[in-house]
Amino acid sequence: GQNIDQPTEMTATEGAIVQINCTYQTSGFNGLFWYQQHAGEAPTFLSYNVLDGLEEKGRFSSFLSRSKGYSYLLLKELQMKDSASYLCAVMDSNYQLIWGAGTKLIIKP
Amino acid sequence: GAVVSQHPSWVICKSGTSVKIECRSLDFQATTMFWYRQFPKQSLMLMATSNEGSKATYEQGVEKDKFLINHASLTLSTLTVTSAHPEDSSFYICSARDPKGLAGGGEQFFGPGTRLTVL
Repeated sequence: GQNIDQPTEMTATEGAIVQINCTYQTSGFNGLFWYQQHAGEAPTFLSYNVLDGLEEKGRFSSFLSRSKGYSYLLLKELQMKDSASYLCAVMDSNYQLIWGAGTKLIIKP
Repeated sequence: GAVVSQHPSWVICKSGTSVKIECRSLDFQATTMFWYRQFPKQSLMLMATSNEGSKATYEQGVEKDKFLINHASLTLSTLTVTSAHPEDSSFYICSARDPKGLAGGGEQFFGPGTRLTVL
């Protein structure tokens, strides 16, 4: 079966760095997405990885290792507004998005 | 980036009534749209995949006669919750696939969501 695993909840301090991991097992792979979702709102796109390596975009970076079925989202210089759920999603061979359950990130002052 | 709108943003209705939610891709043509449901503190649950001009594909456990999906044009898909009951109260989110997006056209752009409350 297809499976996406990520931690349920994480807590970090304002100004610090946090890494949210995601492991996956899917039928085929056409890329991995990270989305941010604030409570009561729809998800918004953060990053897309299809090749191994690190993609950096401002305070956010995303890493992918296809051989290990592993990705992480790295958030630097955390701000209170980064408190949200972070969703990992893998596009399978049929171009369907397989969603993780999301990681709720709590930022403390 | 591609923009997807959803209407209404929220709706309150009485039990037994039907509610229609619209999803529109504003600046691109979406051959495929998706409907999700999200209960409080839970992840997105894909309900159905809607392809323009054909019948929707429903996920296991989703009643197709209760959740009617119509994708009559390349920019509009509608979800009708028929005979709504309190247990149907949820956050309904649509997304549209932009053929020119990332992942060979697989990237999905999300609407803002519709919060349905059935009394």
